[in-house]
Formats: sequence, structure tokens, C-alpha cells
Amino acid sequence: KQEVTQIPAALSVPEGENLVLNCSFTDSAIYNLQWFRQDPGKGLTSLLLIQSSQREQTSGRLNASLDKSSGRSTLYIAASQPGDSATYLCAVRLWGDDKIIFGKGTRLHILP
Amino acid sequence: DVKVTQSSRYLVKRTGEKVFLECVQDMDHENMFWYRQDPGLGLRLIYFSYDVKMKEKGDIPEGYSVSREKKERFSLILESASTNQTSMYLCASSLRVSGNTIYFGEGSWLTVV
Repeated sequence: KQEVTQIPAALSVPEGENLVLNCSFTDSAIYNLQWFRQDPGKGLTSLLLIQSSQREQTSGRLNASLDKSSGRSTLYIAASQPGDSATYLCAVRLWGDDKIIFGKGTRLHILP
Repeated sequence: DVKVTQSSRYLVKRTGEKVFLECVQDMDHENMFWYRQDPGLGLRLIYFSYDVKMKEKGDIPEGYSVSREKKERFSLILESASTNQTSMYLCASSLRVSGNTIYFGEGSWLTVV
């Protein structure tokens, strides 16, 4: 059974620093991996989607990488800002399956 | 712009009541999902539907049912609400073709007293 793990559960970083969030998954037969942001009390907003054939995706200050063989993905945030404070979740979709499996997220706090 | 709308943001219901949570998407997506989110447990899939009148159980379907009579609307039903169903409920949708982004609604906070 596919399991998605995000460590650490919470992270505090001074404003302006670059940071990396981690996501690991147990079954490498994924179709794609997606990173989401969730603000308190709100729904999830998609940040980046990486297909299994891709190694990385970039959007502005965000860069997501995927290494299927090691079962890992990272979300890199450059020059962090207080507005980046949120919970970040990763999710994987398996081949031939409509379901999406989520990690429990990393709660990020950017210190002004 | 893509939109998934959950009709109720905050609800308070009594134990034993029948509860309907409604979700509408305007993107002509085949797939629709209902999740619940609880502290320490993350998002757990309750049910999903890949077409009108089609449904599949997720990881925690007990105590819930769903209805999809129209492509754009997916309803979650709590036949007899219980206090352990107090949670944040999230609806989502996506195209059936694999590789597409999943879009979420804003969530519905349900408190059962």
C-alpha cells in the first residue's frame, strides 16, 4: 500500500532564507506527484504537478523535484517570505488509479 | 477560472440528524472526491466518483454515502450524524485522464453536538 510521508511536521525559518520541504513515498510506480499549499481553515491550492517522466517543475520561487527510484520529492522555496507561511502537502497518484494519496503535510512558519 | 464550490462553510448539527454536504464544480470534470481532514490524520478519502451515478469507496466510507445525479454535483450524506464525524470536509475534482491537477473547494467545517 502506498504511503506518503512528510518530515518534518513543522518548520520555522527566518525570512529571506531558502528552504527545502521533503516528501517520500513507498511505491515508485507513481503517475504523478503534486504539491499543494493550505492556509489555515481553507482548501488546498495546487502549486506544482510533476509527471512521472519529469524530473522537476518550476513556478516563480518554487521548484519541485522528483526522484522516483529513491521515492522522494522536494519542494524548494527561494527567498522565503512571511506570506509563504502555510501547510504544504504532497500527494501522489498511482498508475491506473484515480485515487490520490496525501502526506500529512509540513506546517511552515516564516519568521519576519 | 477553475472553481469547486462547497455550499456550506460552517455547519452545526445534532447527533442523529441527516446531513447533506453539497459540492459543485464548473470545469466539466469526470472525477469528484470527498475527503475529511483531521489533525494528525491528514486527508482521508471517503468516496469518489468517476462518472454520473458511479461511486467507489475510499478509505473511510463507513457512516457516509454519496450521490452523483449530475456531472457537476457531488453530494456527501451523513445518514445519522455522530460526534466522531466532526471534521473539515473537502471536496475536489479532476479530469479522468491521468496526469491532471486536482482542484479543491474551500472546505466545510462540520460540528456534530
